[in-house]
Amino acid sequence: ETGVTQTPRHLVMGMTNKKSLKCEQHLGHNAMYWYKQSAKKPLELMFVYNFKEQTENNSVPSRFSPECPNSSHLFLHLHTLQPEDSALYLCASNLGQGGTEAFFGQGTRLTVV
Amino acid sequence: AQSVTQPDIHITVSEGASLELRCNYSYGATPYLFWYVQSPGQGLQLLLKYFSGDTLVQGIKGFEAEFKRSQSSFNLRKPSVHWSDAAEYFCAVVGNTGKLIFGQGTTLQVKP
Repeated sequence: ETGVTQTPRHLVMGMTNKKSLKCEQHLGHNAMYWYKQSAKKPLELMFVYNFKEQTENNSVPSRFSPECPNSSHLFLHLHTLQPEDSALYLCASNLGQGGTEAFFGQGTRLTVV
Repeated sequence: AQSVTQPDIHITVSEGASLELRCNYSYGATPYLFWYVQSPGQGLQLLLKYFSGDTLVQGIKGFEAEFKRSQSSFNLRKPSVHWSDAAEYFCAVVGNTGKLIFGQGTTLQVKP
């Protein structure tokens, strides 16, 4: 148990569906991150939020839409995904500037059919 | 730009043998360095970290790592590997923006 909780753990969705991934932390962290982990590829940083403000978007397609309503919650809204978007989506949090370790959730295994 | 290189994509060792996983980083200032482990289908668990001070750091599960500034390395070691150590290992660096940069990962297989 790392203190970062992701739901759901598994998700199967069609290409025309809309779904959301949720991440929650009560560690007092200010920064939250979405990573994508595909088979045989390195971890890809998708989005970074610091104090609820998006500070980084690594050229992620618009079919992925993040939302950070407060420092404890982070969402990833999904719509009209492609099969190649199937991956493990990991959420992480840390204190942001100052360089402390990140704590990761268990991930959501997404399958797009 | 900050970057992390893990030269070995896949390593196989026999149970009971020693292990060293390599990590090289690129960062101008003193880096914050981490090793994470990931079991299949799971998130990443922190093994150990280096911020400053003693360059040999101890972590969980009997792992240690040594920071060598002259070689820009932060190699992970374990004197005697157990079958349960089979997993994927990630080295990471954090710059002063707080963003984690990961290496490509090394998959460890343990032979009985």
